[in-house]
Amino acid sequence: QKEVEQDPGPLSVPEGAIVSLNCTYSNSAFQYFMWYRQYSRKGPELLMYTYSSGNKEDGRFTAQVDKSSKYISLFIRDSQPSDSATYLCASQRRVTGNQFYFGTGTSLTVIP
Amino acid sequence: GAGVSQSPRYKVAKRGQDVALRCDPISGHVSLFWYQQALGQGPEFLTYFQNEAQLDKSGLPSDRFFAERPEGSVSTLKIQRTQQEDSAVYLCASSSRQDSRNTEAFFGQGTRLTVV
Repeated sequence: QKEVEQDPGPLSVPEGAIVSLNCTYSNSAFQYFMWYRQYSRKGPELLMYTYSSGNKEDGRFTAQVDKSSKYISLFIRDSQPSDSATYLCASQRRVTGNQFYFGTGTSLTVIP
Repeated sequence: GAGVSQSPRYKVAKRGQDVALRCDPISGHVSLFWYQQALGQGPEFLTYFQNEAQLDKSGLPSDRFFAERPEGSVSTLKIQRTQQEDSAVYLCASSSRQDSRNTEAFFGQGTRLTVV
């Protein structure tokens, strides 16, 4: 079992829709949670990070972490065609946080 | 440069050939990571440097994989006697933070290695 599980999709939505992307994790030691966006043939770029449980909002993006259920979510409001990419969730341990554990990524297409 | 630079962008190697992949991190960044990303998968951790010290190499899949960062800036990932299962994108990331909370790591575009 992978440390971080993510539905690979693909996910296709019309422009303007609200998108919900989700991951689960198994290790209770994880304290830092990140969402990366990866365009085709590019490296991942950091979108959001949160520490422990709670919500964090940045423009059209909201990240949620529920540590009780080990559930990580990213919501995208008013989705745009430029949001079409693969979204990767990642987690990092509390003490020895040198490596990130990534999900497999969810491929998202926003149709104009 | 402004970002993490990796070279070459693409590499085709014959099975059994040795390859060397280069990473130029963002200037002044202390931490440097190597990840391996297979097709359709998320990145998998290979190794981590803090300055020139390799603090974690637990993700290197075999003794054919070797990484170095001799002067604490540029890093090289070397793969000896390449095998087909080594075909993947190799990503380098750097971060300015010295502590363990390297959440703001910046990734390069990767080197796509194809072993034929």
